[in-house]
Amino acid sequence: DVKVTQSSRYLVKRTGEKVFLECVQDMDHENMFWYRQDPGLGLRLIYFSYDVKMKEKGDIPEGYSVSREKKERFSLILESASTNQTSMYLCASSLSGAGDTQYFGPGTRLTVL
Amino acid sequence: AQTVTQSQPEMSVQEAETVTLSCTYDTSENNYYLFWYKQPPSRQMILVIRQEAYKQQNATENRFSVNFQKAAKSFSLKISDSQLGDTAMYFCAFMRKNTGNQFYFGTGTSLTVIP
Repeated sequence: DVKVTQSSRYLVKRTGEKVFLECVQDMDHENMFWYRQDPGLGLRLIYFSYDVKMKEKGDIPEGYSVSREKKERFSLILESASTNQTSMYLCASSLSGAGDTQYFGPGTRLTVL
Repeated sequence: AQTVTQSQPEMSVQEAETVTLSCTYDTSENNYYLFWYKQPPSRQMILVIRQEAYKQQNATENRFSVNFQKAAKSFSLKISDSQLGDTAMYFCAFMRKNTGNQFYFGTGTSLTVIP
C-alpha cells in the first residue's frame, strides 16, 4: 500500500514564525502536491512537483514556498506565518502516468495565533 | 480554468438506503479523468472510484457506482445500501490528460448516514 506521511497532525505557531510542513511518500512517486483545505472551499492546490528540484505554482502559491531535494520528500514552507494561513494542509503523491490516482497524507491542522 | 461544482453541501441518508451525490464540471477538453474521494472524520482522503472520459461504461466499485454523462458534463456518485462507515465528506475531482496529474476539486458534500 502507498503510504504518505506528514510530520505533524496538529501544529500551533505564532504570527511571523517560519513554518515547515514535511511530507514523505514511500512508493517512488514522481509527483507530489500540497493543498490547503478550508470549509466551503474544498481543496486548493498550493504547489506541486513532478521531479526532484522541480516545482510548479498551483492556484494559491502566495505566502508559500516548497522544497524537493529528494524524490520521497516534499516540504511546504511558510516564510512568515499569518493568521489567514490557519488551515488544514494536505499532501498527496502520484505516479506520472495519465490518470494516475493521487494518494493523500493524513493532513496537518495548522493554527497561526 | 477547470471548474468542478458540487451543489449539495450537506446530505443525509438512512442506513441501508441509496443516496446520489451530484457533481458537474466545466471543460473544453475531450480526454480527461474524473474521481470521487472520501474523507471520513479521521481526515485521511481515500479514492472511492475513478472514471476515464473515453470509456462510456460507468465505473462501479462494490456499493459505489457513477452515472457519467459526458455531454451534460455530469458525474454523480451513487451509494447503495448505505452504511454508517460511509459518513464522510465526499469530493469530486477532475484531471485533464497529460497535465502533470493536476487535480481540480469541488467544494465537497458532507454525507451523514443515519442509523
